[in-house]
Amino acid sequence: QVQLVESGGGVVQPGRSLRLSCEASGFTFSSYGMHWVRQAPGKGLEWVAVISDDGNKKYYADSVKGRFTISRDKSKKTLYLQMNSLRAEDTAVYYCAKDSKIYSMDVWGQGTTVTVSS
Amino acid sequence: QSALTQPASVSGSPGQSITISCTGTSSDVGGYKYVSWYQQYPGKAPKLMIYEVSNRPSGISNRFSGSKSGNTASLTISGLQAEDEAHYYCSSYTSSNTWVFGGGTKLTVL
Repeated sequence: QVQLVESGGGVVQPGRSLRLSCEASGFTFSSYGMHWVRQAPGKGLEWVAVISDDGNKKYYADSVKGRFTISRDKSKKTLYLQMNSLRAEDTAVYYCAKDSKIYSMDVWGQGTTVTVSS
Repeated sequence: QSALTQPASVSGSPGQSITISCTGTSSDVGGYKYVSWYQQYPGKAPKLMIYEVSNRPSGISNRFSGSKSGNTASLTISGLQAEDEAHYYCSSYTSSNTWVFGGGTKLTVL
């Protein structure tokens, strides 16, 4: 079945870096755009970034622009989020989600938790 | 990239109908038909309930419906059931090629 599995979360000090991964299965990964969405503890959803199916187009939320980089590896069917210069306010559960081709997110992973703390 | 505006909470009794509003601007909700709604239970991933303002994915009950007027979209749940108690988030594509979510609404079934 269609599945997304995130990994790479953990506890990291402010200013440091972390890379999240999202492994896809059950669909043709190279045919769909992919998103990262995060949720701070007790807060709502915040869209983070999107990458096109071919990897050539990338867009970011203002809150992460210049610090986070979204990428994908077609051969590994994996989506990535490189997070640099991490701040306390980046603490959240990070979800990857498949774009539906009609501007919504139709499949979500279970999430991976990132905690930025000294 | 300001969040869309949703009421923090709504409530209703079993069998009743409720409506959750989602207000944006002409650069997001008002400018596109690309409004979607998500249901989220505590500790779980969100689930797509409505896409393109009013369309339901396969498997979603027809008790869930969506609409839009100007810069405000709405999600209506009819025949309220205990299992509908969850958080609901709207989302819209924007003129900046980004997406924006609403702050979320907690639905309580009395």
